[in-house]
Amino acid sequence: NAGVTQTPKFRILKIGQSMTLQCTQDMNHNYMYWYRQDPGMGLKLIYYSVGAGITDKGEVPNGYNVSRSTTEDFPLRLELAAPSQTSVYFCASSFTFQGYEQYFGPGTRLTVT
Amino acid sequence: DQQVKQNSPSLSVQEGRISILNCDYTNSMFDYFLWYKKYPAEGPTFLISISSIKDKNEDGRFTVFLNKSAKHLSLHIVPSQPGDSAVYFCAARGGNNNDMRFGAGTRLTVKP
Repeated sequence: NAGVTQTPKFRILKIGQSMTLQCTQDMNHNYMYWYRQDPGMGLKLIYYSVGAGITDKGEVPNGYNVSRSTTEDFPLRLELAAPSQTSVYFCASSFTFQGYEQYFGPGTRLTVT
Repeated sequence: DQQVKQNSPSLSVQEGRISILNCDYTNSMFDYFLWYKKYPAEGPTFLISISSIKDKNEDGRFTVFLNKSAKHLSLHIVPSQPGDSAVYFCAARGGNNNDMRFGAGTRLTVKP
């Protein structure tokens, strides 16, 4: 069981570039989430999805977009990268909404310069 | 606003002793609390949780205590082991939030 996988592990972007962070889970979870973690801060929810075709904003959605075409995949898109988006991004999934426990991927470290 | 706070960025304890990690919250509508553990270069992993209807939950060496009147919870690890060295995040959900709120984490170092 791979659990939650994320690609890439690291990425450096120039300001204004775009990219997609990939996330896949093989646990057949309906609920999936994207978080970002800034240094010295807790994880903040960017977007979440309650099932294929359904997404909603979290606490910090500005500058990001998501889609959920399948149960397994939940990509996060950055359209115009800004230095403020330098962070570590975690994808997670769960059987029920917001827990009771979420399974996290290993993270993507993104630097925008 | 930071609704979940972990005021100690780091904690160091000797192997075999008790580790106590603290967490405070401000939103009285939170009804479920969780602790996650995170090793470097890995995602957080779920450790233990507690519902607001309880004041204590145990799982092996890990116990979480909840004091609702003080809006405070703590994680006790007894006895502490070097493999427990990690960053521990407190999280809470409930109320008007559609999402879970995380603290900034406490880095625990257990010395052999």
